Amino acid sequence: AQKVTQAQTEISVVEKEDVTLDCVYETRDTTYYLFWYKQPPSGELVFLIRRNSFDEQNEISGRYSWNFQKSTSSFNFTITASQVVDSAVYFCALIETTDSWGKLQFGAGTQVVVTP
Amino acid sequence: DSGVTQTPKHLITATGQRVTLRCSPRSGDLSVYWYQQSLDQGLQFLIQYYNGEERAKGNILERFSAQQFPDLHSELNLSSLELGDSALYFCASSALGTGDYGYTFGSGTRLTVV
Repeated sequence: AQKVTQAQTEISVVEKEDVTLDCVYETRDTTYYLFWYKQPPSGELVFLIRRNSFDEQNEISGRYSWNFQKSTSSFNFTITASQVVDSAVYFCALIETTDSWGKLQFGAGTQVVVTP
Repeated sequence: DSGVTQTPKHLITATGQRVTLRCSPRSGDLSVYWYQQSLDQGLQFLIQYYNGEERAKGNILERFSAQQFPDLHSELNLSSLELGDSALYFCASSALGTGDYGYTFGSGTRLTVV
């Protein structure tokens, strides 16, 4: 069963618009880790953020912000004032600690297209 | 440069052939993970090694095998290749066996089977 759901397949915005990517996860673990990765057209996976299950503080890093809500099992990602360079596929991922060797379980990804 | 080196970057080969993908982890990292990214399956975990020993297995086909050597580099061997094996193969390393401090991914090897 899919543990990480990214329901949005593709989002298209015009530059300077805000875009929010949804991520819903499923786990019975009390301790787990959530991640966001960016995959630009060049193909590499770029780490954006890691959050553990005990840290529900929202985080802001420049134009990026993350909203972690355990009550709804969601870890959403917002890009403020989008730029063309934000065009990429964004993946949400989960590590469950009952799987002690820590494999990443990825969602299907959301393609973000930012046009000038 | 992430510190994780994957070679080759691109590989084109014919069906039925065998290839070896190589990964050198970031200095000091003992864990190596292999992932496959294909259009229809997304990013799938294949296998993990920790300090030379296999620790976890995912959706890895029997035609595929891997190992981690004493110098900690890892190789993923793909044999009897089929068209459906065409994918981007990523290696990642982490400092701890649990990986909970996050991963460093290599830039991937793009395999095309023709």
